[in-house]
Amino acid sequence: QKEVEQNSGPLSVPEGAIASLNCTYSDRVSQSFFWYRQYSGKSPELIMSIYSNGDKEDGRFTAQLNKASQYVSLLIRDSQPSDSATYLCAAPERGGNNRKLIWGLGTSLAVNP
Amino acid sequence: NAGVTQTPKFQVLKTGQSMTLQCAQDMNHNSMYWYRQDPGMGLRLIYYSASEGTTDKGEVPNGYNVSRLNKREFSLRLESAAPSQTSVYFCASRGTVLNTEAFFGQGTRLTVV
Repeated sequence: QKEVEQNSGPLSVPEGAIASLNCTYSDRVSQSFFWYRQYSGKSPELIMSIYSNGDKEDGRFTAQLNKASQYVSLLIRDSQPSDSATYLCAAPERGGNNRKLIWGLGTSLAVNP
Repeated sequence: NAGVTQTPKFQVLKTGQSMTLQCAQDMNHNSMYWYRQDPGMGLRLIYYSASEGTTDKGEVPNGYNVSRLNKREFSLRLESAAPSQTSVYFCASRGTVLNTEAFFGQGTRLTVV
């Protein structure tokens, strides 16, 4: 199993729907997770981070962490066309003083008007 | 507060030419990174520097060299560019604490012909 895995998509949802993006991880990463959004031709920008089991909400975004099942998800409520982007999941490498972040390949999201 | 500044934004090189990509951060971060991003390949770590005075290889270091000039600056050098190095390059920095995110520069789109 790769350290951090994401379904590459594309995930297509209609405007106003809930988009659900998932990430699974192995024991080779520390259980602190970052969700980044990357628009085409731009650099990644942080949306949310989550470190504790359960849900964390920020506006239309909810991150969910399930340590027992080793997955983390990002829900986007009331999806807008402006949410169309690639979403990257990342976590620090376990050991090695946690300096390196391990990245998933990203999930492409298309929100259709 | 500029964050992470990366130059140049675009560059075209001929095979065999050399160049240096510059990166500077003003967030007093210890760790700095160079990534390349190719379609379908995600972010791949070239080199990183956990602190001033140290550098380590990432996944794809061949053909590159780095210099951590001081705490603020981390440069990436291509000694003899090859078409396989055509990519988008991102510099990033990150604090020391486990639960801190990485901040990215705006990226450099490099084409080697």
